[in-house]
Amino acid sequence: AQSVSQHNHHVILSEAASLELGCNYSYGGTVNLFWYVQYPGQHLQLLLKYFSGDPLVKGIKGFEAEFIKSKFSFNLRKPSVQWSDTAEYFCAVNARNAGNMLTFGGGTRLMVKP
Amino acid sequence: KAGVTQTPRYLIKTRGQQVTLSCSPISGHRSVSWYQQTPGQGLQFLFEYFSETQRNKGNFPGRFSGRQFSNSRSEMNVSTLELGDSALYLCASSQGFTGELFFGEGSRLTVL
Repeated sequence: AQSVSQHNHHVILSEAASLELGCNYSYGGTVNLFWYVQYPGQHLQLLLKYFSGDPLVKGIKGFEAEFIKSKFSFNLRKPSVQWSDTAEYFCAVNARNAGNMLTFGGGTRLMVKP
Repeated sequence: KAGVTQTPRYLIKTRGQQVTLSCSPISGHRSVSWYQQTPGQGLQFLFEYFSETQRNKGNFPGRFSGRQFSNSRSEMNVSTLELGDSALYLCASSQGFTGELFFGEGSRLTVL
């Protein structure tokens, strides 16, 4: 069975600070990796994804994530956060050939102070 | 393009009752997945349907069931409701099976 850990449950940053949210997963096979985001009052939406190839992937709104296979990690980063980045961020994985059966981490609530 | 539509958005039931939730996927999306979101357990996969067939099922009791219709619309049903079934039930649709999901706003169920 897969599991996903997000180590930071709550993060508070000031605007322009750099962001890194940790995500580790446990699974012995090949996985697809995702970050989903839920802005206040909005539905969950895809931020970025990794299937294969370059382990550094870029998503919307200046976010990027790096897949480090040896560490089973897929950390999310942004060089300079904005107040509008306030949201809850979820890391998720699915095993290849597992369809749309995702395993989600517990989420990280990010608050950016103006 | 309209997004994923879930109805009802909010509902209150009592223990022992049953509930049916509905989901209309994005036009052209044939895969529909359901997830349960609670403060304690987070987001948990319930089941996935494609072409009216259940492709995957999560670790939930048999009281949780679902189906998909020929127009890709899906319903999920929870029978004999328990207090612990109070949650936000999210439907997501997808064109393929890669995990790229488009979520609806959810149906918030409260069981009293």
